[in-house]
Amino acid sequence: AQSVTQPDIHITVSEGASLELRCNYSYGATPYLFWYVQSPGQGLQLLLKYFSGDTLVQGIKGFEAEFKRSQSSFNLRKPSVHWSDAAEYFCAVGVVEGSARQLTFGSGTQLTVLP
Amino acid sequence: ETGVTQSPTHLIKTRGQQVTLRCSSQSGHNTVSWYQQALGQGPQFIFQYYREEENGRGNFPPRFSGLQFPNYSSELNVNALELDDSALYLCASSVRTGVNTEAFFGQGTRLTVV
Repeated sequence: AQSVTQPDIHITVSEGASLELRCNYSYGATPYLFWYVQSPGQGLQLLLKYFSGDTLVQGIKGFEAEFKRSQSSFNLRKPSVHWSDAAEYFCAVGVVEGSARQLTFGSGTQLTVLP
Repeated sequence: ETGVTQSPTHLIKTRGQQVTLRCSSQSGHNTVSWYQQALGQGPQFIFQYYREEENGRGNFPPRFSGLQFPNYSSELNVNALELDDSALYLCASSVRTGVNTEAFFGQGTRLTVV
Protein backbone atom coordinates (compact mmCIF):
# COMPACT_ATOMS: atom_id res chain seq x y z
CA ALA A 1 0.00 0.00 0.00
CA GLN A 2 1.10 3.53 -0.64
CA SER A 3 2.15 5.92 2.10
CA VAL A 4 3.54 9.42 2.54
CA THR A 5 5.78 10.55 5.36
CA GLN A 6 6.39 14.13 6.34
CA PRO A 7 9.05 13.87 9.05
CA ASP A 8 8.73 17.42 10.35
CA ILE A 9 5.54 18.12 12.27
CA HIS A 10 6.39 21.78 12.84
CA ILE A 11 8.98 24.10 11.28
CA THR A 12 9.75 27.68 12.28
CA VAL A 13 11.67 30.03 10.01
CA SER A 14 12.31 33.74 9.95
CA GLU A 15 10.81 35.87 7.21
CA GLY A 16 13.22 36.05 4.29
CA ALA A 17 14.94 32.79 5.16
CA SER A 18 14.92 29.78 2.86
CA LEU A 19 12.60 26.85 3.43
CA GLU A 20 12.66 23.15 2.72
CA LEU A 21 9.84 20.81 3.71
CA ARG A 22 10.56 17.11 3.47
CA CYS A 23 8.36 14.45 1.94
CA ASN A 24 9.05 10.75 1.42
CA TYR A 25 6.68 8.40 -0.31
CA SER A 26 6.22 4.70 -0.73
CA TYR A 27 4.50 3.49 -3.87
CA GLY A 28 5.21 0.57 -6.18
CA ALA A 29 4.50 2.30 -9.47
CA THR A 30 5.34 5.66 -11.02
CA PRO A 31 4.19 8.22 -8.50
CA TYR A 32 2.06 11.25 -9.16
CA LEU A 33 3.09 13.71 -6.48
CA PHE A 34 1.49 16.84 -5.13
CA TRP A 35 2.01 19.56 -2.58
CA TYR A 36 -1.02 21.30 -1.10
CA VAL A 37 -1.25 24.20 1.34
CA GLN A 38 -4.02 24.71 3.89
CA SER A 39 -4.66 27.94 5.77
CA PRO A 40 -6.60 27.75 9.05
CA GLY A 41 -10.21 26.72 8.53
CA GLN A 42 -9.74 26.44 4.77
CA GLY A 43 -9.64 23.72 2.17
CA LEU A 44 -6.56 22.64 0.27
CA GLN A 45 -4.88 24.68 -2.43
CA LEU A 46 -2.61 22.98 -4.94
CA LEU A 47 0.91 24.42 -4.94
CA LEU A 48 2.48 22.15 -7.55
CA LYS A 49 2.41 18.69 -9.02
CA TYR A 50 4.75 16.16 -10.61
CA PHE A 51 3.51 13.68 -13.19
CA SER A 52 6.56 13.04 -15.38
CA GLY A 53 9.43 14.75 -17.15
CA ASP A 54 11.61 17.40 -15.53
CA THR A 55 12.18 16.42 -11.92
CA LEU A 56 12.29 20.03 -10.75
CA VAL A 57 8.80 21.49 -10.84
CA GLN A 58 7.74 25.07 -10.32
CA GLY A 59 4.56 26.01 -8.56
CA ILE A 60 2.60 28.99 -7.43
CA LYS A 61 3.72 31.53 -4.84
CA GLY A 62 7.40 30.97 -5.65
CA PHE A 63 7.51 27.34 -4.50
CA GLU A 64 9.38 24.56 -6.23
CA ALA A 65 9.85 20.86 -5.55
CA GLU A 66 12.33 18.26 -6.69
CA PHE A 67 11.45 14.63 -7.36
CA LYS A 68 14.25 12.20 -6.50
CA ARG A 69 13.30 8.66 -7.40
CA SER A 70 16.41 7.13 -5.81
CA GLN A 71 15.47 8.69 -2.46
CA SER A 72 11.69 8.38 -2.86
CA SER A 73 11.49 12.04 -1.99
CA PHE A 74 9.61 15.09 -3.19
CA ASN A 75 10.84 18.00 -1.07
CA LEU A 76 9.27 21.43 -1.26
CA ARG A 77 11.48 24.53 -1.31
CA LYS A 78 11.21 28.28 -1.32
CA PRO A 79 14.24 30.60 -1.41
CA SER A 80 12.72 33.41 0.66
CA VAL A 81 9.71 32.90 2.93
CA HIS A 82 7.03 35.54 3.39
CA TRP A 83 4.86 35.94 6.49
CA SER A 84 1.83 34.96 4.40
CA ASP A 85 3.37 31.51 3.82
CA ALA A 86 2.51 30.51 7.39
CA ALA A 87 0.13 27.57 6.97
CA GLU A 88 0.03 23.78 6.96
CA TYR A 89 1.60 21.96 4.05
CA PHE A 90 0.61 18.51 2.83
CA CYS A 91 2.45 16.21 0.49
CA ALA A 92 0.34 13.64 -1.34
CA VAL A 93 0.75 10.78 -3.78
CA GLY A 94 -1.94 10.10 -6.36
CA VAL A 95 -2.74 6.45 -6.91
CA VAL A 96 -5.14 4.37 -8.92
CA GLU A 97 -6.82 1.56 -7.01
CA GLY A 98 -9.36 -0.35 -9.02
CA SER A 99 -11.37 2.33 -10.74
CA ALA A 100 -10.68 5.05 -8.22
CA ARG A 101 -8.12 7.77 -8.50
CA GLN A 102 -7.32 8.89 -4.97
CA LEU A 103 -4.83 10.90 -3.00
CA THR A 104 -2.90 9.59 -0.04
CA PHE A 105 -1.68 12.43 2.16
CA GLY A 106 1.05 12.81 4.69
CA SER A 107 0.23 14.10 8.14
CA GLY A 108 1.35 17.61 7.29
CA THR A 109 3.99 20.13 8.32
CA GLN A 110 2.92 23.26 10.16
CA LEU A 111 4.99 26.27 9.10
CA THR A 112 5.44 29.25 11.43
CA VAL A 113 7.10 32.40 10.07
CA LEU A 114 8.78 34.77 12.51
CA PRO A 115 8.93 38.49 11.70
CA GLU B 1 -11.04 30.34 -6.69
CA THR B 2 -11.52 26.59 -7.24
CA GLY B 3 -15.24 26.59 -7.94
CA VAL B 4 -15.94 23.70 -5.55
CA THR B 5 -18.47 24.71 -2.94
CA GLN B 6 -19.56 22.83 0.17
CA SER B 7 -22.44 23.32 2.54
CA PRO B 8 -22.89 23.86 5.35
CA THR B 9 -19.55 25.29 6.54
CA HIS B 10 -20.12 24.26 10.14
CA LEU B 11 -22.42 21.74 11.77
CA ILE B 12 -22.99 20.40 15.27
CA LYS B 13 -24.72 17.07 15.73
CA THR B 14 -25.44 14.73 18.61
CA ARG B 15 -24.00 11.24 18.82
CA GLY B 16 -26.31 8.73 17.12
CA GLN B 17 -27.80 11.27 14.72
CA GLN B 18 -27.47 11.30 10.94
CA VAL B 19 -25.92 14.05 8.83
CA THR B 20 -25.85 15.02 5.15
CA LEU B 21 -23.08 17.16 3.69
CA ARG B 22 -23.28 18.66 0.21
CA CYS B 23 -20.79 19.46 -2.49
CA SER B 24 -21.10 21.26 -5.80
CA SER B 25 -18.36 20.30 -8.24
CA GLN B 26 -16.31 22.65 -10.34
CA SER B 27 -17.78 23.17 -13.79
CA GLY B 28 -16.72 20.44 -16.23
CA HIS B 29 -15.62 18.02 -13.52
CA ASN B 30 -17.30 14.60 -13.50
CA THR B 31 -15.60 12.93 -10.54
CA VAL B 32 -16.12 13.72 -6.88
CA SER B 33 -14.10 12.45 -3.95
CA TRP B 34 -14.68 12.91 -0.25
CA TYR B 35 -12.00 13.12 2.42
CA GLN B 36 -12.09 13.22 6.21
CA GLN B 37 -9.50 15.35 7.98
CA ALA B 38 -9.30 14.84 11.72
CA LEU B 39 -7.67 17.55 13.79
CA GLY B 40 -3.91 17.57 13.31
CA GLN B 41 -4.00 14.93 10.58
CA GLY B 42 -3.85 14.79 6.83
CA PRO B 43 -7.01 14.12 4.84
CA GLN B 44 -8.08 10.50 4.47
CA PHE B 45 -9.90 9.19 1.41
CA ILE B 46 -13.48 8.14 2.11
CA PHE B 47 -14.81 7.34 -1.36
CA GLN B 48 -15.11 8.53 -4.94
CA TYR B 49 -18.05 8.85 -7.31
CA TYR B 50 -17.99 8.78 -11.09
CA ARG B 51 -21.08 8.64 -13.31
CA GLU B 52 -23.26 8.49 -10.22
CA GLU B 53 -21.64 5.30 -8.96
CA GLU B 54 -19.17 4.69 -6.17
CA ASN B 55 -15.96 3.45 -7.76
CA GLY B 56 -13.59 3.31 -4.82
CA ARG B 57 -13.69 3.43 -1.04
CA GLY B 58 -11.14 3.94 1.69
CA ASN B 59 -11.14 2.30 5.09
CA PHE B 60 -14.49 3.67 6.26
CA PRO B 61 -17.52 1.71 7.50
CA PRO B 62 -20.78 1.39 5.53
CA ARG B 63 -22.49 4.03 7.68
CA PHE B 64 -20.55 6.48 5.48
CA SER B 65 -22.43 6.61 2.19
CA GLY B 66 -22.80 8.99 -0.70
CA LEU B 67 -24.58 10.03 -3.81
CA GLN B 68 -23.62 11.76 -7.03
CA PHE B 69 -26.29 13.48 -9.07
CA PRO B 70 -26.54 13.95 -12.86
CA ASN B 71 -25.19 17.49 -12.52
CA TYR B 72 -22.14 15.95 -10.76
CA SER B 73 -22.97 17.46 -7.37
CA SER B 74 -22.63 15.08 -4.47
CA GLU B 75 -23.74 14.26 -0.95
CA LEU B 76 -21.96 12.54 1.91
CA ASN B 77 -24.22 10.87 4.45
CA VAL B 78 -23.09 9.60 7.81
CA ASN B 79 -25.43 7.54 9.97
CA ALA B 80 -25.19 6.75 13.67
CA LEU B 81 -22.70 9.51 14.32
CA GLU B 82 -19.86 8.82 16.72
CA LEU B 83 -17.68 11.29 18.59
CA ASP B 84 -14.71 10.28 16.41
CA ASP B 85 -16.59 11.46 13.33
CA SER B 86 -15.83 15.02 14.39
CA ALA B 87 -13.61 16.33 11.61
CA LEU B 88 -13.31 18.60 8.58
CA TYR B 89 -14.94 16.91 5.58
CA LEU B 90 -13.47 17.91 2.26
CA CYS B 91 -14.95 17.43 -1.16
CA ALA B 92 -12.70 17.36 -4.22
CA SER B 93 -13.69 17.39 -7.85
CA SER B 94 -11.65 16.36 -10.85
CA VAL B 95 -11.83 15.38 -14.48
CA ARG B 96 -11.45 11.68 -14.99
CA THR B 97 -8.86 11.45 -17.75
CA GLY B 98 -6.19 8.78 -17.72
CA VAL B 99 -4.43 8.67 -14.38
CA ASN B 100 -4.52 12.40 -13.80
CA THR B 101 -5.62 12.68 -10.22
CA GLU B 102 -5.29 16.44 -9.87
CA ALA B 103 -8.18 17.43 -7.64
CA PHE B 104 -9.63 20.77 -6.63
CA PHE B 105 -10.89 21.04 -3.07
CA GLY B 106 -13.73 22.91 -1.47
CA GLN B 107 -13.34 24.80 1.79
CA GLY B 108 -14.78 21.92 3.77
CA THR B 109 -17.54 21.30 6.29
CA ARG B 110 -16.51 21.29 9.94
CA LEU B 111 -18.59 18.62 11.72
CA THR B 112 -18.65 18.48 15.49
CA VAL B 113 -20.32 15.53 17.19
CA VAL B 114 -21.24 16.02 20.84
